Formats: sequence, C-alpha cells, structure tokens
Amino acid sequence: KQEVTQIPAALSVPEGENLVLNCSFTDSAIYNLQWFRQDPGKGLTSLLLIQSSQREQTSGRLNASLDKSSGRSTLYIAASQPGDSATYLCAVPGGTSYGKLTFGQGTILTVHP
Amino acid sequence: NAGVMQNPRHLVRRRGQEARLRCSPMKGHSHVYWYRQLPEEGLKFMVYLQKENIIDESGMPKERFSAEFPKEGPSILRIQQVVRGDSAAYFCASSPQQGGTDTQYFGPGTRLTVL
Repeated sequence: KQEVTQIPAALSVPEGENLVLNCSFTDSAIYNLQWFRQDPGKGLTSLLLIQSSQREQTSGRLNASLDKSSGRSTLYIAASQPGDSATYLCAVPGGTSYGKLTFGQGTILTVHP
Repeated sequence: NAGVMQNPRHLVRRRGQEARLRCSPMKGHSHVYWYRQLPEEGLKFMVYLQKENIIDESGMPKERFSAEFPKEGPSILRIQQVVRGDSAAYFCASSPQQGGTDTQYFGPGTRLTVL
C-alpha cells in the first residue's frame, strides 16, 4: 500500500526566503508525481507533474525534483512571496489504471511580509 | 475552456436525507475522479469513472455511497441517509487521458454539512 509523507507539516518564513518542501513515498514504482497547491476553502491547483523518467521539472520560481530510487521528491520555491501562502500537497498515482492519487498530508506554508 | 465545475458549492442536509453532488468535467475530458477531505484530514480517493463505467471504486464506503458518470450529463456522487461523519469537502477531478498518466484537474469542491 502506497503511503505518502510530507515534511514539514507547517512552515512560516519571512518574504524573500528560498524554501524546500519534502515529500516521500513508500512504493518507488510510481508512474509520476504531482505537486498541488490548495488555498483555504478552495480546490487544488496543479503546480508541477514530474514523470518517473524525469529528474526535475521547473515552472517559474518553482522547481520540483524526483529521486525514485530513494522514494523522495522536493519542491523548491525561490524568493518566496506572501501570495505563496497555501497548503502544498504532493501525490502519486496508483490503483486500477493509475487513477487513484494518494496524497500526503500537506505542508502549510505561511510567508509573512 | 471552463474548468471542472461542481455544484452545489455548499450543501446542508439533515441526518437521514440524501445528498447529490454534481461534477461537470473539463471539455474533452472523459475521466472523472472523486475525492473526500474530512476535517483535519488529508484528501482521500473515493472513485474513478469513465463514461458509463466505474474503473476503480476501492475508496468508496461499501454502504450508502454510489457514483455514476452517464453518457450524457455530469457525474453524480450520491450519499444516501447521510450521517454527521459524512460532513466533508468533496472534490471532483477530471483528466483527458487514462488515470494518472496525465494531470488531474480539480474542481472547487462541494462542502457538505450534515446537521
């Protein structure tokens, strides 16, 4: 059974800092890994999807890396801004036809001015 | 291209009533997924459907819950005889390709409150 863990559970930083969010998974036979952002009371927004054959993926100030063999992914946020405050979730697909996303518990990020 | 649409956004039911949650996937998407987020808990998979077919229902409670995605119209998640423990946010997602091979796009969710 796939289990996904995210560390830290919460993070509070001043604006401008570079951040690293961690995600680990127990079954390394993954198809891909996805990072999402969730704002309070809202749905999820997809940030990055890394295929199992890739080592990293970049979008703007976000960079996600994937190490399948060690069961880890990191999300790097450069030059954080108050607008980055949200819960960040990582997820891996599994189940029949890989439709089931297993999520971590999330990292609650607060960036204060 | 409109995103995934869910309605209602908020739903209040008394214990024992039925709740019907609707999800319209993005245009061109034929794969739909339902997830539940209980208070203070993470997102949990419930069911994966393709048009007229249930592909994976391993996360669905065995009783009172059912889901469908008919040939025409939205996907429906139905909860019969609701109990207080059903209070949660229910999210629908859709994708153009099979399962986890592509990004799942999430709707804004339906927040169910059972009194």
